[in-house]
Amino acid sequence: EPEVTQTPSHQVTQMGQEVILRCVPISNHLYFYWYRQILGQKVEFLVSFYNNEISEKSEIFDDQFSVERPDGSNFTLKIRSTKLEDSAMYFCASAPTRSQETQYFGPGTRLLVL
Amino acid sequence: QKEVEQNSGPLSVPEGAIASLNCTYSDRGSQSFFWYRQYSGKSPELIMSIYSNGDKEDGRFTAQLNKASQYVSLLIRDSQPSDSATYLCAVNYGGNQFYFGTGTSLTVIP
Repeated sequence: EPEVTQTPSHQVTQMGQEVILRCVPISNHLYFYWYRQILGQKVEFLVSFYNNEISEKSEIFDDQFSVERPDGSNFTLKIRSTKLEDSAMYFCASAPTRSQETQYFGPGTRLLVL
Repeated sequence: QKEVEQNSGPLSVPEGAIASLNCTYSDRGSQSFFWYRQYSGKSPELIMSIYSNGDKEDGRFTAQLNKASQYVSLLIRDSQPSDSATYLCAVNYGGNQFYFGTGTSLTVIP
């Protein structure tokens, strides 16, 4: 069964450093998403991406964040200058069509900013 | 502000009982509703989606949607210890943004 994959599974970085989180969505899916979940808190929407551009973003997704689909398979989230409060689990998700369709989540990347 | 509210629990039920999980949402324009299960340290796993008023059944799970009252619920029949997890309610308001509740922690006692 196809699944969303994410790398790395864990990332430790120093405050102020740039990190890139990588995702490979399910191959025939068209919509891609990034979420974060701070430990013990709810899953929070960051951004959705369709047709090589951002379709929606939340207030969390400020200028420190960017997304890219550099090739036909990868979908990346970049945090330019990490802060302590960026420590969280980051989930990538993909969906076959738009908003009313089910999203399938990847296993997540646990980011720790020191 | 679009909110999704869930009782955080914990909810404990004996094995074989029915577990009832509830979720309310703030925006009447909501279009699609999802229940996810999340084990500790893992990613959300879809259980069910529901788009129309009424009940939708899938095996031991039944989702119920009442748009007039702005709530969606999940019933788990014949609860098993493996059902012990946090259950997340998610709502889509028609765009490409999904809102999650804080989740309800369920423990099924053998």
